[in-house]
Amino acid sequence: DTAVSQTPKYLVTQMGNDKSIKCEQNLGHDTMYWYKQDSKKFLKIMFSYNNKELIINETVPNRFSPKSPDKAHLNLHINSLELGDSAVYFCASSQDKHHSGNTIYFGEGSWLTVV
Amino acid sequence: AQSVTQLDSQVPVFEEAPVELRCNYSSSVSVYLFWYVQYPNQGLQLLLKYLSGSTLVKGINGFEAEFNKSQTSFHLRKPSVHISDTAEYFCAVRKDTGRRALTFGSGTRLQVQP
Repeated sequence: DTAVSQTPKYLVTQMGNDKSIKCEQNLGHDTMYWYKQDSKKFLKIMFSYNNKELIINETVPNRFSPKSPDKAHLNLHINSLELGDSAVYFCASSQDKHHSGNTIYFGEGSWLTVV
Repeated sequence: AQSVTQLDSQVPVFEEAPVELRCNYSSSVSVYLFWYVQYPNQGLQLLLKYLSGSTLVKGINGFEAEFNKSQTSFHLRKPSVHISDTAEYFCAVRKDTGRRALTFGSGTRLQVQP
């Protein structure tokens, strides 16, 4: 069983389109994240939700909107895609209620290419 | 704010040789320290982490790391590498309170050659 699963794994789309990436975790964790990895492999936090509440919202264009329907899901919707949005997007989760030293588990990544 | 510096972007090494991947961090508050590995076209997998206690931490796949508070370093080592260790390695820190996302270094590409 995959602990953190995200779909689709690969996505090629045209500029201006709207797309969504879905993420689900079956670990019972209370916190979920979206990270972006650019072409130079640099990883940066985008959003974090704890029990469906947004707790981290980095300087990300408002074309990016996370949605957490429940504790186990955190989806990422992107409007009006731009070439610069091409990257690998990683979903992750952790159990943070009592201790932030717990491991953050990552999904396999979603490779987004905007043409 | 926290920051992580991985001094080497690439480390080429021959199979069965020892390797050290360097990581330095900066933070005004207490942090936990992590090393993750990313194999080609895959997600990130935790190698090891330092929370407290013994400064020498052992992880998976024969890796270990030593926390040095005075030098604010958390270098990763392996005494003998294999071809299969070829991957991208990321050092990361996480605050122990408040905003708790991981802050990553820029990564080190370990290339093991036969």
